[in-house]
Amino acid sequence: AQSVSQHNHHVILSEAASLELGCNYSYGGTVNLFWYVQYPGQHLQLLLKYFSGDPLVKGIKGFEAEFIKSKFSFNLRKPSVQWSDTAEYFCAVNANTNAGKSTFGDGTTLTVKP
Amino acid sequence: KAGVTQTPRYLIKTRGQQVTLSCSPISGHRSVSWYQQTPGQGLQFLFEYFSETQRNKGNFPGRFSGRQFSNSRSEMNVSTLELGDSALYLCASSLAGQGVNEQFFGPGTRLTVL
Repeated sequence: AQSVSQHNHHVILSEAASLELGCNYSYGGTVNLFWYVQYPGQHLQLLLKYFSGDPLVKGIKGFEAEFIKSKFSFNLRKPSVQWSDTAEYFCAVNANTNAGKSTFGDGTTLTVKP
Repeated sequence: KAGVTQTPRYLIKTRGQQVTLSCSPISGHRSVSWYQQTPGQGLQFLFEYFSETQRNKGNFPGRFSGRQFSNSRSEMNVSTLELGDSALYLCASSLAGQGVNEQFFGPGTRLTVL
């Protein structure tokens, strides 16, 4: 069975600080990896995705993530956060052969202080 | 291209009643998945439909059911509602559900059970 663990439940940063959110997954086969963001009152939006190839993927709004297969990790990073990045962030995984069923982490709430 | 739409956006029901939620996927998408989002449990996979057949199922009781129509629209039904069914129900669609695919989420239906 798939599982996803997000290490930080709530992160508070000041504007311009760097961000790294941890995500580890458990699955024995080939996976697709995702980071989603949910802004207050809005629906889930895809930040970035990894299917194959370059393990460093770049997404929208300056976010990037690195897939480290040996560590089963897919950490999200942003060099300089803005107040508008305040949101909840979810890491998700689905199996390459079963992409209609995603397993999500518990989410990390990011609060950026102006 | 229009995104995933869900109706209604808000619902208030009482215990014991039943409810039907609707989801219209992005045009051309044949896979529709349903998720339940609650503060305590996070995002939990309910089921996935593809070509009018349930292809994946999560660990929810039989009170939760769904179906998909020939135009890929999907409905989810919850019978004999319980207080714990109060949640945001999210629908996601994807092109085919296997291989390199990402899911696109709708805004959700907020169900409150009194």
